[in-house]
Amino acid sequence: EAGVAQSPRYKIIEKRQSVAFWCNPISGHATLYWYQQILGQGPKLLIQFQNNGVVDDSQLPKDRFSAERLKGVDSTLKIQPAKLEDSAVYLCASSLVAGGQKTQYFGPGTRLLVL
Amino acid sequence: GESVGLHLPTLSVQEGDNSIINCAYSNSASDYFIWYKQESGKGPQFIIDIRSNMDKRQGQRVTVLLNKTVKHLSLQIAATQPGDSAVYFCAENRNNAGNMLTFGGGTRLMVKP
Repeated sequence: EAGVAQSPRYKIIEKRQSVAFWCNPISGHATLYWYQQILGQGPKLLIQFQNNGVVDDSQLPKDRFSAERLKGVDSTLKIQPAKLEDSAVYLCASSLVAGGQKTQYFGPGTRLLVL
Repeated sequence: GESVGLHLPTLSVQEGDNSIINCAYSNSASDYFIWYKQESGKGPQFIIDIRSNMDKRQGQRVTVLLNKTVKHLSLQIAATQPGDSAVYFCAENRNNAGNMLTFGGGTRLMVKP
């Protein structure tokens, strides 16, 4: 079974530029999550989707971050404009229906460096 | 505030010894806990989970213990191997919080040959 796929694996941009990350979850997983992991810290949830609907985006900085999952499968996370403090690893995870099987499976992450 | 934390940021063990990684949580409403292993340059990898109606669960070479009285979680790794070197995170899921996980800060396990 294929795991969670993410691209790109690495991205370097200058502050105030825009960047987008892509995630393809495990087949059949209805729930998709985006996390931000700053160096030396645990992952922090940014947004959770159930199919194509947002379940929780309370920790998403909505003035610059946006995410969508239009067809309920792939998802994109965008930062516009980027700040220096956005340098982090952006992890995508997926799970079966929330409330039942809760285990989240993570992709390899996209490492973002903002200069 | 509510948080999940770890007692030791770095743990160094000899190959072949047993390792114990500890985690404290503060939210008594949490009903599901997961241990993840994260190797350098990779995403977190599921190791083992436990629900709040259990106090012990065993996997292959790993055991998770849950003490709800003192809100403490531990991961035991038997016969630690060099491949076990990584950062280990515990995460909690609060009841009625959807599937939102709160992660601790991580413990780095270093295995000496």
